[in-house]
Amino acid sequence: NAGVTQTPKFRVLKTGQSMTLLCAQDMNHEYMYWYRQDPGMGLRLIHYSVGEGTTAKGEVPDGYNVSRLKKQNFLLGLESAAPSQTSVYFCASTYGVIGNEQFFGPGTRLTVL
Amino acid sequence: KNQVEQSPQSLIILEGKNCTLQCNYTVSPFSNLRWYKQDTGRGPVSLTIMTFSENTKSNGRYTATLDADTKQSSLHITASQLSDSASYICVVSGAYGGSQGNLIFGKGTKLSVKP
Repeated sequence: NAGVTQTPKFRVLKTGQSMTLLCAQDMNHEYMYWYRQDPGMGLRLIHYSVGEGTTAKGEVPDGYNVSRLKKQNFLLGLESAAPSQTSVYFCASTYGVIGNEQFFGPGTRLTVL
Repeated sequence: KNQVEQSPQSLIILEGKNCTLQCNYTVSPFSNLRWYKQDTGRGPVSLTIMTFSENTKSNGRYTATLDADTKQSSLHITASQLSDSASYICVVSGAYGGSQGNLIFGKGTKLSVKP
C-alpha cells in the first residue's frame, strides 16, 4: 500500500497562474481532506469530501476549488494563484470521522512569486 | 472559541533524556484528542488517539495522558532518541464533528534532540 500520495512535491508559480494538486489514496477511504500549513500556524482545512462526487468548504476555502470524480482521488485547484497561497499543502484521508485516524500525504510545497 | 494551545513552542533536550509536551484545549463538547508526529518535510503521522474516557495511552516510548475535566493533555517521551526530533501536534475533535470531524489543530511543539 502506498497510503496517501501527492503530486507534485514542489512547485513554483507566478501570480495569476493556475495549477492542480493531485492527491491519491489506496486505502478505500471515504473521507478526504486538503489542508494548508503555514509557519507559526496549525493546519487549516481548505476543502473536504465525504465521498465520490461530493465536496464541501472548510475553514479557508477562498481561492481554491476541488473535485472528487473518483473515490481514490481528490484534486485541489488554484485558478489564479496569489502570493498569499504560498504554503505547504497536505492531503489526508480517513475511513470514518469520529475516532478514526487521518492518514496524511507527504505534502506539496508551493511558492507563488 | 474552540482552541488548542501547545507548550512549549520549542524544546531542546539531550539524547537519552525524557521530556513532556503540553496541550490545553477549550473544545467543547469533546470527542477525542490525538497526538501527531511531523518530521521535517513530511506529513503528520498519528501517535495516539484518546477518547474522553481514556486517561493514558502508550505507543512505545510515547505516553499520552488526558484529563478531560481540566481539558489538558500531555505527551511524555521516554529515553529520547535523535529520531524523535520533530514537531508534535495536538489535535482535538469536537463531539459534533460532522463530516469534517471538526478537528482543531494546535500549532505544535518543535522538539530537537541533541547528541
